[in-house]
Amino acid sequence: EAQVTQNPRYLITVTGKKLTVTCSQNMNHEYMSWYRQDPGLGLRQIYYSMNVEVTDKGDVPEGYKVSRKEKRNFPLILESPSPNQTSLYFCASSFAGVPYYGYTFGSGTRLTVV
Amino acid sequence: AQSVSQHNHHVILSEAASLELGCNYSYGGTVNLFWYVQYPGQHLQLLLKYFSGDPLVKGIKGFEAEFIKSKFSFNLRKPSVQWSDTAEYFCAGHSGNTPLVFGKGTRLSVIA
Repeated sequence: EAQVTQNPRYLITVTGKKLTVTCSQNMNHEYMSWYRQDPGLGLRQIYYSMNVEVTDKGDVPEGYKVSRKEKRNFPLILESPSPNQTSLYFCASSFAGVPYYGYTFGSGTRLTVV
Repeated sequence: AQSVSQHNHHVILSEAASLELGCNYSYGGTVNLFWYVQYPGQHLQLLLKYFSGDPLVKGIKGFEAEFIKSKFSFNLRKPSVQWSDTAEYFCAGHSGNTPLVFGKGTRLSVIA
């Protein structure tokens, strides 16, 4: 089944403890992206990647890191999480061709930083 | 900067009422437009998309959207909503090689 898989689904952590949220897609998509969703603010893009070893900042990259060493994986790293990073996170992927078909989303990771 | 804006934050309708959710975009040139739906506790799913051609696009679950270039709009419509349409709806736009940009979303509550 074609899908984007995120892990974990739920995570509670303490301030300053490094964590990684994994994202993997099995559709050979070039584009991958991370969003955070907060009430009243909609989806805000954190980082995106156009292909392997190509990443770029989105609208809210502060406090996050990403890497794209393989086409299928795009982990999101929080080196020193803070409570303002408590949010719902979505990974998404798509083909890069024309026309652009839009993203397939993962199921989300609900992160709480205390 | 390219942007997508949704006019309504929260819409409350009775079952069988007609729905129209507004979406405006600020892209120049060729634009691809999308509507996504997020049911409570779930991830975003694609409802419909517009690339070119017929400006009236039909999607899943009886939804449709009309691309009006002169108004930079891509409003979502459904003639008769059901309780199961309660969800958050996101308009999104893309042009050229830019990442997909989302509006802030409209929460739809359908009451019996």
